[in-house]
Amino acid sequence: GENVEQHPSTLSVQEGDSAVIKCTYSDSASNYFPWYKQELGKRPQLIIDIRSNVGEKKDQRIAVTLNKTAKHFSLHITETQPEDSAVYFCAASTDGNKLVFGAGTILRVKS
Amino acid sequence: DVKVTQSSRYLVKRTGEKVFLECVQDMDHENMFWYRQDPGLGLRLIYFSYDVKMKEKGDIPEGYSVSREKKERFSLILESASTNQTSMYLCASSLWVDRDRSGEQYFGPGTRLTVT
Repeated sequence: GENVEQHPSTLSVQEGDSAVIKCTYSDSASNYFPWYKQELGKRPQLIIDIRSNVGEKKDQRIAVTLNKTAKHFSLHITETQPEDSAVYFCAASTDGNKLVFGAGTILRVKS
Repeated sequence: DVKVTQSSRYLVKRTGEKVFLECVQDMDHENMFWYRQDPGLGLRLIYFSYDVKMKEKGDIPEGYSVSREKKERFSLILESASTNQTSMYLCASSLWVDRDRSGEQYFGPGTRLTVT
């Protein structure tokens, strides 16, 4: 079955710097890659996603890139702010319904 | 707004007890999921249901069962709770989508279960 590895497990950045979180997946049939953000004590929420027919997608300060050949995808956050501090989870899916999640990255933005 | 609710935020049970966790969604979603969240292990799928009375095992189904008698309600059952089932349990729901679309999962607030 699918396996998703996520790195780093923790990431500390200064406010205003960029943050990058990377994930690799094992199943070449995966075609949908969402990212969820979980703030402390809150439920995970979708922040951005990408399908395998697209190489990059942006939404304001966040972007996701996908390299199908290498089977990895990344989340990029620019101009980080304290409210970006959270746990971020990547996921992969072969059918858009059932997701396999990575282990999560704790992002701390220091002001 | 999609609303996913879970029956308890915190639950303390003794080893060997039968435990029921309930999840209700109000958006007529076909898919419902139960995950377990542990530090450093992410969100691991326990069971998945894509229709009433239908269920599929996820990655860690051992020690758990589920029930979906109505579309809006998905229950997770621990037949005989053990200490290694102490965890945060998250329910989610989403629309059923075909291969060319994607369904956002909406999560409940979670149930922190402690088994002593």
